[in-house]
Amino acid sequence: DTEVTQTPKHLVMGMTNKKSLKCEQHMGHRAMYWYKQKAKKPPELMFVYSYEKLSINESVPSRFSPECPNSSLLNLHLHALQPEDSALYLCASAPSGDQPQHFGDGTRLSIL
Amino acid sequence: AQKITQTQPGMFVQEKEAVTLDCTYDTSDQSYGLFWYKQPSSGEMIFLIYQGSYDEQNATEGRYSLNFQKARKSANLVISASQLGDSAMYFCAMSDASGGSYIPTFGRGTSLIVHP
Repeated sequence: DTEVTQTPKHLVMGMTNKKSLKCEQHMGHRAMYWYKQKAKKPPELMFVYSYEKLSINESVPSRFSPECPNSSLLNLHLHALQPEDSALYLCASAPSGDQPQHFGDGTRLSIL
Repeated sequence: AQKITQTQPGMFVQEKEAVTLDCTYDTSDQSYGLFWYKQPSSGEMIFLIYQGSYDEQNATEGRYSLNFQKARKSANLVISASQLGDSAMYFCAMSDASGGSYIPTFGRGTSLIVHP
């Protein structure tokens, strides 16, 4: 069992849809992350939240919109995605930025 | 320039043998963290082992040990007594604050296959 919970596990959406990915942790971690991972590639960092504030945005297109409502929750809002956005989206948390990350099981996203 | 370099795209090892996965890193920071993660074909990313830049002893976690050579900027993962379940992708990662905030960087990964 993972201590970081991501929902949904799978998502299929059209290019005009709006959906959200959700991530939850109850370990008291202050750093939370979103990654995008294509098959057989390393995860690509998208966003970092530190103490509920967005600290890093790795030049991600605006069709991806992160949100951190509280210290336990992290959302990724999706709108008007492209087929190349199909990937595994991983959420992670860490006690602080220099500590090991704990990952969720990911959401497999397919854009039709 | 690559901050994390994993030079072995694929490795094969016989069950019960030891295997070393290579990782070199590049940073000008004095304070940084080094990590190894395992990703089976099912997709979950599993944290294995951590080495802080100021730690003088090599980190160990069960069958995993990290061979930390600071002067060479090397952080190799050693898996002893390989098991079939060790077959997976292994990523070396580093977190440093060269840009003011700690940013994690992953290597390209090494695919390990354990033969019976």
